[in-house]
Amino acid sequence: EAGVTQSPTHLIKTRGQQATLRCSPISGHTSVYWYQQALGLGLQFLLWYDEGEERNRGNFPPRFSGRQFPNYSSELNVNALELEDSALYLCASRGNTGELFFGEGSRLTVL
Amino acid sequence: GESVGLHLPTLSVQEGDNSIINCAYSNSASDYFIWYKQESGKGPQFIIDIRSNMDKRQGQRVTVLLNKTVKHLSLQIAATQPGDSAVYFCAEGKPGGTSYGKLTFGQGTILTVHP
Repeated sequence: EAGVTQSPTHLIKTRGQQATLRCSPISGHTSVYWYQQALGLGLQFLLWYDEGEERNRGNFPPRFSGRQFPNYSSELNVNALELEDSALYLCASRGNTGELFFGEGSRLTVL
Repeated sequence: GESVGLHLPTLSVQEGDNSIINCAYSNSASDYFIWYKQESGKGPQFIIDIRSNMDKRQGQRVTVLLNKTVKHLSLQIAATQPGDSAVYFCAEGKPGGTSYGKLTFGQGTILTVHP
């Protein structure tokens, strides 16, 4: 069974540009979570999608947004990129007992 | 706000030793706790979880202990191997409501296993 997959693996952008990151959950999982992991820091909760709806969001500005598609895959968009947005963006889908299964992440570098 | 933190940022052990990684949590409403392992360049990997109605749970070479009285969580790794070298995160959450699956992570402990 395939795990959570994310693309692209690496992405380099410049300040002010937009970045789009994609995630496919484990087959059968309907909830997708996005976390930001800045260098040397823990994981910060960004967004939670379930059944196509945004259920909760973390303490991030509105330029962080996303959506979930009918096939439960998800997209994270970051507008007006800032240098401090450079981080590893992790996507996870939720198992039946509540545990999160993470993908390998998308490394975003803002120059 | 509520947070989960770790007592020690780094831990170095010899191969074959037992390792203990500690975590303190402050949200008494949390009832679900997870340990994750993250190797360099990879996403966090689920190790073991425990619910608040338990104080101990064992997996393969790992044991998680929960002390709700002092809000303390620990991960014990038996016969530590070089492949166990990674950053270990504890996370806490509540399985229901709008917080479902929204885990709060600690800063992480770096475990280094010397051969």
